[in-house]
Amino acid sequence: DAGVTQSPTHLIKTRGQHVTLRCSPISGHKSVSWYQQVLGQGPQFIFQYYEKEERGRGNFPDRFSARQFPNYSSELNVNALLLGDSALYLCASSWALSSGRFDEQFFGPGTRLTVL
Amino acid sequence: EDQVTQSPEALRLQEGESSSLNCSYTVSGLRGLFWYRQDPGKGPEFLFTLYSAGEEKEKERLKATLTKKESFLHITAPKPEDSATYLCAVLVYGGATNKLIFGTGTLLAVQP
Repeated sequence: DAGVTQSPTHLIKTRGQHVTLRCSPISGHKSVSWYQQVLGQGPQFIFQYYEKEERGRGNFPDRFSARQFPNYSSELNVNALLLGDSALYLCASSWALSSGRFDEQFFGPGTRLTVL
Repeated sequence: EDQVTQSPEALRLQEGESSSLNCSYTVSGLRGLFWYRQDPGKGPEFLFTLYSAGEEKEKERLKATLTKKESFLHITAPKPEDSATYLCAVLVYGGATNKLIFGTGTLLAVQP
């Protein structure tokens, strides 16, 4: 089975622009989470979606939004890009929202976003 | 506030020189502790999940242990291919969501 896939792999934008990042979870996984990883830091939680509903949000401004589709794939949207949004954006999928030992989250390769 | 701290920030070992990485945490509602390996420019690769104090998991040269306040990742006789950043994360469940809170990682370099 394929792992978590993300597209695009790299992206260059300018300040003020909008960006959409895409994620396809592991087959059978219903929960998708998004993380931002700035160089030299650990990933920071942005959103979690389960069954197309937002179930968690980290400390990120309203410029960040996301959604999950009926096939469990997900999009992360960022409006009015700032230089500080430059980071590796990671998507993680898990089998369920919280099911004891099914909480393991598996990460995709990430999308490297550079804002100039 | 939920917090995860990893030490050391960086570690340089000679091939075959065993050592341990530390992850200490202060969180409420802990559901589990995860170890990931991350190579430069790539997503984290899942290694272990630990759910309760006293639990241990092993995989090749790696062994993870958990106490009530910290976890250790022991690396026995490391090889150069073990060089990577090792991330620790705690799974916190609050209400209708669960999220991973990561430490900043330990950058491990194993020299031949």
